[in-house]
Amino acid sequence: AQSVTQPDIHITVSEGASLELRCNYSYGATPYLFWYVQSPGQGLQLLLKYFSGDTLVQGIKGFEAEFKRSQSSFNLRKPSVHWSDAAEYFCAVGARGNTGKLIFGQGTTLQVKP
Amino acid sequence: GAVVSQHPSRVICKSGTSVKIECRSLDFQATTMFWYRQFPKKSLMLMATSNEGSKATYEQGVEKDKFLINHASLTLSTLTVTSAHPEDSSFYICSARDRLAGVGEQFFGPGTRLTVL
Repeated sequence: AQSVTQPDIHITVSEGASLELRCNYSYGATPYLFWYVQSPGQGLQLLLKYFSGDTLVQGIKGFEAEFKRSQSSFNLRKPSVHWSDAAEYFCAVGARGNTGKLIFGQGTTLQVKP
Repeated sequence: GAVVSQHPSRVICKSGTSVKIECRSLDFQATTMFWYRQFPKKSLMLMATSNEGSKATYEQGVEKDKFLINHASLTLSTLTVTSAHPEDSSFYICSARDRLAGVGEQFFGPGTRLTVL
């Protein structure tokens, strides 16, 4: 069965520091992979996605993620965190085919220290 | 970008009453909409997939008679929580697939906070 694991429930980083949020997935083939951010009062916003091709994908707000098939991982990174990045981050996997269903990880809460 | 709205944003009701939540795609047509439930500090759990003009497909363990879904048009899906009880209190989120968008892409509404007293 498909599953997504985000090992870090809560992460605190200082503003300006680099960030890496971990995501591991379980799926029989190469899935579609997504990172979303959820801020209070806002809908989930897509940061980036991986379907195929270049394993390093660039997203919005300066985020990037790297798909590593050998590690079943899709970690999210940002070189310099801003206070406005404090939010809940979700990794999700979507099945191949046309169902559109997404399986979400448990989420990682990012806190940014001034 | 594509916008999905939900109404109401929060609702408080008495136990035993029914509550309807609307999900609208504002600037695109959505052949498929999804309904999720999110518990505090928890992941989003897919409840059902709603296709325009057909019956919704519910995930295992989700009571279809408790959570009625109607997708009457390409821009509107509704979730009705029937005979709500305190354990139905949660944050409900919808998402919509733009039929012209890329594979797997969906857009999320801001969510509806349901509190059942």
